[in-house]
Amino acid sequence: SQKIEQNSEALNIQEGKTATLTCNYTNYSPAYLQWYRQDPGRGPVFLLLIRENEKEKRKERLKVTFDTTLKQSLFHITASQPADSATYLCALDGYGGSQGNLIFGKGTKLSVKP
Amino acid sequence: NAGVTQTPKFRVLKTGQSMTLLCAQDMNHEYMYWYRQDPGMGLRLIHYSVGEGTTAKGEVPDGYNVSRLKKQNFLLGLESAAPSQTSVYFCASRGANKETQYFGPGTRLLVL
Repeated sequence: SQKIEQNSEALNIQEGKTATLTCNYTNYSPAYLQWYRQDPGRGPVFLLLIRENEKEKRKERLKVTFDTTLKQSLFHITASQPADSATYLCALDGYGGSQGNLIFGKGTKLSVKP
Repeated sequence: NAGVTQTPKFRVLKTGQSMTLLCAQDMNHEYMYWYRQDPGMGLRLIHYSVGEGTTAKGEVPDGYNVSRLKKQNFLLGLESAAPSQTSVYFCASRGANKETQYFGPGTRLLVL
């Protein structure tokens, strides 16, 4: 069966450290994978997209890698800050076609302690 | 630009009652989506629309109906609410040839 899993429900780290979140999938061949941030009581907000032919993407303190052989994406936040505390969702285009329908993981709740 | 807006923000229904959730976007996006988010389940697609006048079923469509009479609006209807439909509902939209989805703030629905 098709699955997308974010390995940790929760991740606690100290301010200044690098947070690494994992997204694994099975039985999909996505053309791209996205990462979203969700704060309590709010809708998800897009952060980064990485395509199947890209190994790595960066945006300020954020870095995403995509390994289609391992069927895994890693999401890194360097020099983490308490303001980075949120739930992070990975999503891939699991349905194919032109509708752009996304399959979402359940999310990882990141807490950055001062 | 307001982006994606949803009304109402919160609603309590009794089992068997009906209601309509409204989603509006001012970005001229072709595609619109309705999701529900439940603890431990993540976001699941209910219905979606690829353009004005079109709708299609997503992963969990049972018990819901949708309409897209105007490009900027996407309505989600519950004809006879059930406690299993207690959830947070999110609407999203995206432009043609774009992959990023823009989400609304959500509607929290409690069915007693």
